Amino acid sequence: DTAVSQTPKYLVTQMGNDKSIKCEQNLGHDTMYWYKQDSKKFLKIMFSYNNKELIINETVPNRFSPKSPDKAHLNLHINSLELGDSAVYFCASSQGLQALAEQYFGPGTRLTVT
Amino acid sequence: GEDVEQSLFLSVREGDSSVINCTYTDSSSTYLYWYKQEPGAGLQLLTYIFSNMDMKQDQRLTVLLNKKDKHLSLRIADTQTGDSAIYFCAESIGYSTLTFGKGTMLLVSP
Repeated sequence: DTAVSQTPKYLVTQMGNDKSIKCEQNLGHDTMYWYKQDSKKFLKIMFSYNNKELIINETVPNRFSPKSPDKAHLNLHINSLELGDSAVYFCASSQGLQALAEQYFGPGTRLTVT
Repeated sequence: GEDVEQSLFLSVREGDSSVINCTYTDSSSTYLYWYKQEPGAGLQLLTYIFSNMDMKQDQRLTVLLNKKDKHLSLRIADTQTGDSAIYFCAESIGYSTLTFGKGTMLLVSP
């Protein structure tokens, strides 16, 4: 029944490691997003994909590489993790790119880099 | 540039009304939204308003938009303890990409 799911829910890792977070949506949406929420709860868009194509790429270090194998999945791979990458990462999806496309959010992945 | 500002914290008693305020800077915003985030959960869309409207009511929620002052507010009538959460104001311009405020933590005490 879960609309937007993310794995893992929690991820603790050491600096310098490479890790991936997976996102899947079963809503049939064609647009998916990654957001980062820092410790002060500030939520910021990182990427968006529409029909597996990158649409939005905000100023995110190139250590972050999103991959969309199909419209239902958008994974986030992070190389050479740094302490500042610690945050909660939210995946979201919507149908279309228009302004009123309601975004459905996943439960978040809490990443802690030690 | 885009910037959405909110006060960080609001505390009310159960049964009172809550008013959460937001200001934004981009006058070309097409839609403005209120999202709710409960502890440990993702964001849930509560309501939205189109930029050419000045008010929208949805059960206990009332959204007021003052486009001249670029001010958006969310009023929750008869606030309940279950309303305790972080409330995010967001705007979109054209595309569905959202710019969020930093969130207002609403604490409802019995």
